[in-house]
Amino acid sequence: DAKTTQPPSMDCAEGRAANLPCNHSTISGNEYVYWYRQIHSQGPQYIIHGLKNNETNEMASLIITEDRKSSTLILPHATLRDTAVYYCIVIKAGNNRKLIWGLGTSLAVNP
Amino acid sequence: DAGITQSPRYKITETGRQVTLMCHQTWSHSYMFWYRQDLGHGLRLIYYSAAADITDKGEVPDGYVVSRSKTENFPLTLESATRSQTSVYFCASMTSGGVTDTQYFGPGTRLTVL
Repeated sequence: DAKTTQPPSMDCAEGRAANLPCNHSTISGNEYVYWYRQIHSQGPQYIIHGLKNNETNEMASLIITEDRKSSTLILPHATLRDTAVYYCIVIKAGNNRKLIWGLGTSLAVNP
Repeated sequence: DAGITQSPRYKITETGRQVTLMCHQTWSHSYMFWYRQDLGHGLRLIYYSAAADITDKGEVPDGYVVSRSKTENFPLTLESATRSQTSVYFCASMTSGGVTDTQYFGPGTRLTVL
């Protein structure tokens, strides 16, 4: 599975959009981009995933560049409850049994 | 609608003791997982199970034993606990391992080995 690179930390003002980048320059054609988050002292929580097209659900939007070498998770109106560590993981189709977790991006949403 | 639960939530034990961490899910998911999380490391997979009576090693299996006699339960046993096994342990489950299935995590067990 391709390796990902994320900034270690970011800040965002409450009510503003939080844009979390992820670099996955070695991604291959059958690898998906997944995002999870982990609120302090809780288990990780799935957010969204995508292959090539942009995706949106009730939690967030995922924008994947045309060359698929990077992506951005967008929380459109961040709240204090969105303060968490966000993990970007690239997974080969059908290989979602063995996720490789990096250190993620620690997002602080400030009032 | 309990979902996935872990017990105990906190445990303090001594070096050399046997400890069992429990994980229970109510969704009838085929796959179950055990991870540990330590400062400075991402989550690391210890063991996983594709179905009852089928288990496989993950990245850091040494010192741990698992079993899965029933689909809903996946206990993790530290046969002789060591200080290096002080960690937060997360259990997770996943439906069937399909192309885009996602993992659902329990609340975690914080284990301290003195």
